[in-house]
Amino acid sequence: SQTIHQWPATLVQPVGSPLSLECTVEGTSNPNLYWYRQAAGRGLQLLFYSVGIGQISSEVPQNLSASRPQDRQFILSSKKLLLSDSGFYLCAWSVGAENTEAFFGQGTRLTVV
Amino acid sequence: GNSVTQMEGPVTLSEEAFLTINCTYTATGYPSLFWYVQYPGEGLQLLLKATKADDKGSNKGFEATYRKETTSFHLEKGSVQVSDSAVYFCALDYYNQGGKLIFGQGTELSVKP
Repeated sequence: SQTIHQWPATLVQPVGSPLSLECTVEGTSNPNLYWYRQAAGRGLQLLFYSVGIGQISSEVPQNLSASRPQDRQFILSSKKLLLSDSGFYLCAWSVGAENTEAFFGQGTRLTVV
Repeated sequence: GNSVTQMEGPVTLSEEAFLTINCTYTATGYPSLFWYVQYPGEGLQLLLKATKADDKGSNKGFEATYRKETTSFHLEKGSVQVSDSAVYFCALDYYNQGGKLIFGQGTELSVKP
């Protein structure tokens, strides 16, 4: 069966520090991968998605970037964190076919102080 | 554009009460519709889905019917339990690949014994 792992579960980082969140998927090949952010008191917003290695699309302009160095690995990064980057970050995957659904990881709670 | 509007919470019910959480959407075409549930401190879990008009998704006693004429996908459960306490998100897949989702704001449900 397929599983998705995200780490770390929680993170407290100072303003201006770098960020690296990692997500890996097991049990499937060539998944579509996604990063979502859930800001406090708000819904979820799609930040990035990827349909293959090295292929990244950004949905919203922001301070973050994403990379996909391997088929089942998706990384969210920042060179310098802002206070507004605080939130709950969720990685997800889908098979990339019609009428299918996304499967989410457990999330990373990031607090920028 | 595409959007999802969800009933605001929090919703507080007594155990065994009837639950309805309203969800309406605006979309071009006929996207798949989903209900996801988020338990405290966790990621999102798919609760149910419907991929075309008049489809009824169901799982764990929850149901929702894809109504094209009213552009709605209301979540219902006949008898809630304390364990149903969570945040519920309505979502539409605007790219029909499973993971490019637009979410509602989420509705927090609290069930009291």
